[in-house]
Amino acid sequence: KAGVTQTPRYLIKTRGQQVTLSCSPISGHRSVSWYQQTPGQGLQFLFEYFSETQRNKGNFPGRFSGRQFSNSRSEMNVSTLELGDSALYLCASSLSGPNTGELFFGEGSRLTVL
Amino acid sequence: AQSVTQLGSHVSVSEGALVLLRCNYSSSVPPYLFWYVQYPNQGLQLLLKYTSAATLVKGINGFEAEFKKSETSFHLTKPSAHMSDAAEYFCAVIKSGGSYIPTFGRGTSLIVHP
Repeated sequence: KAGVTQTPRYLIKTRGQQVTLSCSPISGHRSVSWYQQTPGQGLQFLFEYFSETQRNKGNFPGRFSGRQFSNSRSEMNVSTLELGDSALYLCASSLSGPNTGELFFGEGSRLTVL
Repeated sequence: AQSVTQLGSHVSVSEGALVLLRCNYSSSVPPYLFWYVQYPNQGLQLLLKYTSAATLVKGINGFEAEFKKSETSFHLTKPSAHMSDAAEYFCAVIKSGGSYIPTFGRGTSLIVHP
């Protein structure tokens, strides 16, 4: 079956702009988690959605937001982009939630902020 | 507080040599532990997981890890490295009684020389 699909794969934005990233989970998976990956900080948890509800949230400013649709597809949005937001944004899906540790990751969306 | 520490940001081995990637966790209660692998330009893939059953856990691609409570360690090993093992490896922990969100280590880049 198809894996986790993230779009777009690469994008370049300038400071102050906003960006929306999309994630389509594996069919049947209801949980979607988002992570930010940078060389300096490694993988940092952003938030997790299950059945259209945000269940967990990491320690990121309010500029980072997300949502999940009834078909389990998820989007995350970053407003008022800063240079430090340049990162690989990874989406991971799972059947019931990240607590099992069995996360299936997409290839990521690489965001560059100029 | 750091929940998981990976010793060595880079490990270099020759093809055919033993691979040893180190991971130590900080938890008073045995957590759930995982190893993930990330190949270039790809997302993370689960290698293996420990969930309080057998202390020696076998994973995919010939990797295994041993949970040692006395040493609070969960080191990843492979008897004979292959060129295709070159990747970034992440240790992750889910602490019992916490938010049940995986916390990832900073990663160890495995370099395999011919």
